[in-house]
Amino acid sequence: DGGITQSPKYLFRKEGQNVTLSCEQNLNHDAMYWYRQDPGQGLRLIYYSQIVNDFQKGDIAEGYSVSREKKESFPLTVTSAQKNPTAFYLCAAGQGSSGGSPLHFGNGTRLTVT
Amino acid sequence: GENVEQHPSTLSVQEGDSAVIKCTYSDSASNYFPWYKQELGKRPQLIIDIRSNVGEKKDQRIAVTLNKTAKHFSLHITETQPEDSAVYFCAAPGFQGGKLIFGQGTELSVKP
Repeated sequence: DGGITQSPKYLFRKEGQNVTLSCEQNLNHDAMYWYRQDPGQGLRLIYYSQIVNDFQKGDIAEGYSVSREKKESFPLTVTSAQKNPTAFYLCAAGQGSSGGSPLHFGNGTRLTVT
Repeated sequence: GENVEQHPSTLSVQEGDSAVIKCTYSDSASNYFPWYKQELGKRPQLIIDIRSNVGEKKDQRIAVTLNKTAKHFSLHITETQPEDSAVYFCAAPGFQGGKLIFGQGTELSVKP
């Protein structure tokens, strides 16, 4: 299962610390996405990027930041401003930039903040 | 606002029965509707998708139907098996494209 690599699989942080989640893709896809998954709430979009050096806020962007300096990489920073950061974070990539093509997901990072 | 509603949130069936999961979307311009399956502890994986120029698509025991007038689409699984047990998500493009909005998920349990 190659394509989208997220690291680490599990991450533990103290409250008040920023933490960066890594996402790398070797599919040469233009678009990349970050989703947050909580029990019973499905997948909620945090940020997405359709092209290098450009990104847009999703539905729950507050307390998060991203960068897209390279096509292959889309790291997500969970800042101390995020009130409830403990969750499962999924990165995805898609071939098109219109939301009209399948997404390929990474294996996710489970972040626990205490 | 843009929204994808998915029902039911949980579904329990006997092995061999059929399962149907329904989703509604808000943007009439949406033209792509995928379904994902997520097994426990794993990533979501695409199982079937449909575009707006067709009303139905089948792949073995799985089918998806689309009603553009009513703005809803459904996943149909026939002859269910215990390995079909998972969480299923529907999705549709958000307003102005560029992203996929997911439904809340349906936890399907197939009892042997």
